Amino acid sequence: QKEVEQNSGPLSVPEGAIASLNCTYSDRGSQSFFWYRQYSGKSPELIMSIYSNGDKEDGRFTAQLNKASQYVSLLIRDSQPSDSATYLCAVYNNNDMRFGAGTRLTVKP
Amino acid sequence: DAGITQSPRHKVTETGTPVTLRCHQTENHRYMYWYRQDPGHGLRLIHYSYGVKDTDKGEVSDGYSVSRSKTEDFLLTLESATSSQTSVYFCAISDLQGVRPDTQYFGPGTRLTVL
Repeated sequence: QKEVEQNSGPLSVPEGAIASLNCTYSDRGSQSFFWYRQYSGKSPELIMSIYSNGDKEDGRFTAQLNKASQYVSLLIRDSQPSDSATYLCAVYNNNDMRFGAGTRLTVKP
Repeated sequence: DAGITQSPRHKVTETGTPVTLRCHQTENHRYMYWYRQDPGHGLRLIHYSYGVKDTDKGEVSDGYSVSRSKTEDFLLTLESATSSQTSVYFCAISDLQGVRPDTQYFGPGTRLTVL
């Protein structure tokens, strides 16, 4: 069974802090890794993709990948109340995309 | 929503009735996907298509069928709806160019309730 695990949260951080979201996966053949943001009642929105070990930065977001540890993380710097949402980790291998159940993040003003 | 529409957006139906959900894209993307999202389970792949009349099963395909007669349309059919199929259904598409066919973009979703 290919699994993607995330802490369900809720994760609560104050405005301006760093939010750290974590994800582990079981399929060692996974090739591509994604983070989606989903506001309540809305569809998932792609915010980051990462394909090789290390860090990838895009504005306030940094994705980190460690294939040996089967671990993906997302850091959100200078968190804003508008970042309050559920963050979905997704792992792809050969036309099979598996999603974690999501971590709910709340950023308090 | 990357040129993706879904219809209907909301539907209430009764157990045993057939239901068809439609996904329409204007992006000319080759790959199209149907997911369902349930609390505690995240998104789970039902079926996907890699071209006109080319489809394959996903993780939770039992009770569902799909068809794709045109590039822009991908239909999901519940032949005889059951209460366990109450869910939010999302369609997704991915890039035609093939450099990263794995990057998926989602439609607005259809909320289906089976009574």
